[in-house]
Amino acid sequence: EVQLLESGGGLVQPGESLRLSCAASGFTFSDYAMTWVRQAPGKGLEWVSTISDSGTGTYSAGSVKGRFTISRDNSKNTLYLQMSSLRAEDTAIYYCAELRRFWSWGQGTLVTVSS
Amino acid sequence: DIVMTQTPLSSPVTLGQPASISCRSSQGLVHSDGNPYLSWLLQRPGQPPRLLIYKISDRFSGVPDRFSGSGAGTEFTLKISRVEAEDVGVYYCMQSTQFPYTFGQGTKLEIK
Repeated sequence: EVQLLESGGGLVQPGESLRLSCAASGFTFSDYAMTWVRQAPGKGLEWVSTISDSGTGTYSAGSVKGRFTISRDNSKNTLYLQMSSLRAEDTAIYYCAELRRFWSWGQGTLVTVSS
Repeated sequence: DIVMTQTPLSSPVTLGQPASISCRSSQGLVHSDGNPYLSWLLQRPGQPPRLLIYKISDRFSGVPDRFSGSGAGTEFTLKISRVEAEDVGVYYCMQSTQFPYTFGQGTKLEIK
């Protein structure tokens, strides 16, 4: 069974940094691109970033470009999202997902940016 | 960026009756590999989204056959033949053909 488990969310102040992790199991992690999607409270879904299977290709939304960095460690079956210069508008549930073969989503981790 | 526009944004439906949601993309969704990456997702309250339909009309594993997808070009439709109570939630269309991936605004399906 494919499983994705996010961690690392929490309450931070504007301008601070946070790193999210997503532990994958149940499939050959290194064979698939992985994606972060977020959802602000009461709002719709917003794609954040995708990384290729090997990690050599990364793509990010304009709203986070230059502030968020997606990466992966295929030896640890783990996806990361390094977030810096956080803003109030980054407050959201962050989901990791595989969106080509298994279409699996984690349960999400809540990031709250507030002073 | 490809803009995805869903209609309606809210859909009150009677149990056992059909429902239909439309999604329009601002440009065609055929990938360079020849596939159209248009998907439909359902998000129940308090849960992550789950895939219903992928590549316009392919039903994902375990999805009841009362759900169907259709369309071509820039116009797509999700149909539920007979709405059941468990179908309540927000439905999203999504394109994953081109970065940035984009979602429709969501359609809230509720029971009358």
